[in-house]
Amino acid sequence: QLQLQESGPGLVKPSETLSLTCTVSGGSISSTNYYWGWFRQPPGKGLEWIGSIFYSGSTYYNPSLKSRVTISVDRSKNQFSLRLTSVIAADTGIYYCGRHWGMTTVTTYIDYWGQGTQISVSS
Amino acid sequence: DIQLTQSPSFLSASVGDRVTITCRASQAISTYVAWYQQKPGKAPKLLIYASSTLQSGVPSRFRGSGSGPEFTLTISNLQPEDFATYHCQQLSSYPLITFGQGTRLDIK
Repeated sequence: QLQLQESGPGLVKPSETLSLTCTVSGGSISSTNYYWGWFRQPPGKGLEWIGSIFYSGSTYYNPSLKSRVTISVDRSKNQFSLRLTSVIAADTGIYYCGRHWGMTTVTTYIDYWGQGTQISVSS
Repeated sequence: DIQLTQSPSFLSASVGDRVTITCRASQAISTYVAWYQQKPGKAPKLLIYASSTLQSGVPSRFRGSGSGPEFTLTISNLQPEDFATYHCQQLSSYPLITFGQGTRLDIK
């Protein structure tokens, strides 16, 4: 059974960089069929896609966050990571990693999610 | 940007009822949508993909329909465990993954 687990700092100061890692177990991150994505959910609000990466390193980012986001993959560790720079209070929320179908196909859907990690931006 | 608008945002129903949630895309670019169920403190769970295909293990009382720009999720014979928040999601051009704002289903 595929499992994803986010890890990160919990609290980040404004203007600093948020770094999160998602560890994949029970399957290979090098699968040719899937992308690996980051998503977030501000308190009391809906879900937002941050960006996704293919095992080869190809990335897609949400245009609204693109200038501050970097997603990378470490196949040797079966992990992928998120860096979000210059964080502000509005970046507070639950951050999820997930596995999803293609980005250049007619549709995509997230079939496996991590449990989520709470990130608070505060001084 | 593509916007997904769910209606209603809040819904109150009783066990045994049938409810319908609508997801409307601002542009008819994709003919497919996915639906997720999310309970408090938990990650979303995939219910339906490609608009009408039930994810493995999801009860048949969940049904998706529509081909764009309007999609619907219907839950028949509501069970206590169905009271949750439901999200629609679409892959649009760029490519960009977009979610609706969510529909909270509460017990009456």
